Formats: sequence, C-alpha cells, structure tokens
Amino acid sequence: AQSVTQLDSQVPVFEEAPVELRCNYSSSVSVYLFWYVQYPNQGLQLLLKYLSGSTLVKGINGFEAEFNKSQTSFHLRKPSVHISDTAEYFCAVNDKLFGNEKLTFGTGTRLTIIP
Amino acid sequence: GAVVSQHPSRVICKSGTSVKIECRSLDFQATTMFWYRQFPKKSLMLMATSNEGSKATYEQGVEKDKFLINHASLTLSTLTVTSAHPEDSSFYICSARIPGGAADTQYFGPGTRLTVL
Repeated sequence: AQSVTQLDSQVPVFEEAPVELRCNYSSSVSVYLFWYVQYPNQGLQLLLKYLSGSTLVKGINGFEAEFNKSQTSFHLRKPSVHISDTAEYFCAVNDKLFGNEKLTFGTGTRLTIIP
Repeated sequence: GAVVSQHPSRVICKSGTSVKIECRSLDFQATTMFWYRQFPKKSLMLMATSNEGSKATYEQGVEKDKFLINHASLTLSTLTVTSAHPEDSSFYICSARIPGGAADTQYFGPGTRLTVL
C-alpha cells in the first residue's frame, strides 16, 4: 500500500524567508504527486502536481516542488513566504495503476509565518 | 470552473439523530465522488468512493450502515451519518472527479463540520 511521509508536523518561518516542506512517498511504481493547501475550516486547494515530464513543477502562489525519483521525494519550496501562506499543507500520491483513483495523503505540515 | 460545494458547512445535532451532508459539482458532471473524514490536526482519511448509479465502495473499517452514501445524479452525492454519536464529530470533505481524468482531476469541497452533542 502507498504511504506518504511528511516529516515535519509544524514549520515556523519568518516572513520573507524561504521555506521547504518535505514529502517522501513509498512506491515501486510510477506515481502522480500532489501538494494541497488547506486554510482554516476550508477544503483543499491544489497547489501543484507532478504527472510526468519536467521534475521541477511550478504551482500557484509562488510555490514549486521537485520530483526526485531516486529519493522518492517531492519537497515543496517557496523562496519568500508571506503571512497569507499560513496554512496546513498536504502531500498526496496516486500510483499510476489502471482504475486506481484514490489519493493517499500525508499527515500534513502546518506552516506558520512569523511577522 | 470545477467548483464543488458542500451543504451544510456546519451542523450541530443531538446524539442519536441522523445528519445528511450534500456534495455538489456545480459546473461539471462527476461520475465519481469521494468522501473523506478529517480528525483535528490529522490528515484526510478516505471513507468511500461514490459512483453515480451504483453502490459506493467503502474503505476498510468504515461502517456502511452508519455512513450511507447515495450518488443519484451526476452532480450530487450525499453522505448520511445515521444515529450519530459524539465520536462521529469530525470535518467531512468531499471531492469530485471529472470523467475521463486521472487523479489530478479531483476537486475538493469546502468541508462540513459535524458536531454531535
């Protein structure tokens, strides 16, 4: 079964500093990878996704992520964070099996931006 | 485009009553919808996959008779929590999948917070 590990449950960062949120997955097959953001009491919004092609993926709000197959990682980065980036971030994976529509989510990382 | 709504956004009910939560795809037809449960400070747990016109597929450990799912049309799926108890209090989120797409075409609703007294 798929699993997704987000090692950091909480990450405090000063405003305008860079941030990296880590995500590792376990899979022996090709995968689709996603990062979602959840603001308080809201649903999930897709930040970015990796399906194939370039390993560096750019998303909304200035975020980007790099797929590293050898390290089975998909870390999320932003060069300069803003107060509005305070939220919960979830990494998710779907393996490329026919008929498998399920997403497996990590436990989430709470990003807190310090003014 | 690709907007998913949920109703209600919040609901408080007494123990023993049933609660229905609606998930609607507003601008597309969704043959498949998913229901998730999120505990405080925890990740999303897939409860079931809802397919239009057929029975839902429940994940292991999810009680089918407790969490009734109906997907009667291409734009509406409902989750009914029957005989709710305080331990059912949670944040329930649905997502809808655009037909013919892969996992990347799941769009999430804003969630419903259920509190059972």
